[in-house]
Amino acid sequence: GQNIDQPTEMTATEGAIVQINCTYQTSGFNGLFWYQQHAGEAPTFLSYNVLDGLEEKGRFSSFLSRSKGYSYLLLKELQMKDSASYLCAVSPFSGGYNKLIFGAGTRLAVHP
Amino acid sequence: DARVTQTPRHKVTEMGQEVTMRCQPILGHNTVFWYRQTMMQGLELLAYFRNRAPLDDSGMPKDRFSAEMPDATLATLKIQPSEPRDSAVYFCASTGTRDYEQYFGPGTRLTVT
Repeated sequence: GQNIDQPTEMTATEGAIVQINCTYQTSGFNGLFWYQQHAGEAPTFLSYNVLDGLEEKGRFSSFLSRSKGYSYLLLKELQMKDSASYLCAVSPFSGGYNKLIFGAGTRLAVHP
Repeated sequence: DARVTQTPRHKVTEMGQEVTMRCQPILGHNTVFWYRQTMMQGLELLAYFRNRAPLDDSGMPKDRFSAEMPDATLATLKIQPSEPRDSAVYFCASTGTRDYEQYFGPGTRLTVT
């Protein structure tokens, strides 16, 4: 079966750093994705990891360990606009390259 | 600025009625996805198409849901008959052959009373 776990909620302070963890167990693996979703809006792509290690993109970084079935999203210099849900998703091998299985999402609240 | 468009944005209907949701993928994208999002279940893949052919609809209740791509610029999701448990936000997303990023439309918020 497919299982993706991430914390339900997190809070952090403006200007701080927050790490959102994601663990997964899937029948195959062809990449791990992070999406951001503001309340009432559509998900938007943040990052993609297919090899182990850290991918950095501005204030956001994403890490992957395939052997541990583990990823994290690191948000630095938090801003109020970063308050959103962060969805971890895995592309399993079966079903094709584009198919994604999403976790339930982590709601992040950034306070002044 | 290329975007995925969806209509209608909001739909309120009574139980038993047919509901049709439409999606226009980004021009040139050959893979189209339908997702459903609820508070309880999160974001679930219902079906997806590549080059207009259905690849996987295992997430879709077959007895009442149907998804089609009449042409490359239009994807439809139909529910007949609708039930209150179908109330959710339905997202369409598209991607290109060499893309790994999925581009989501704004969603259709469906309420079945």
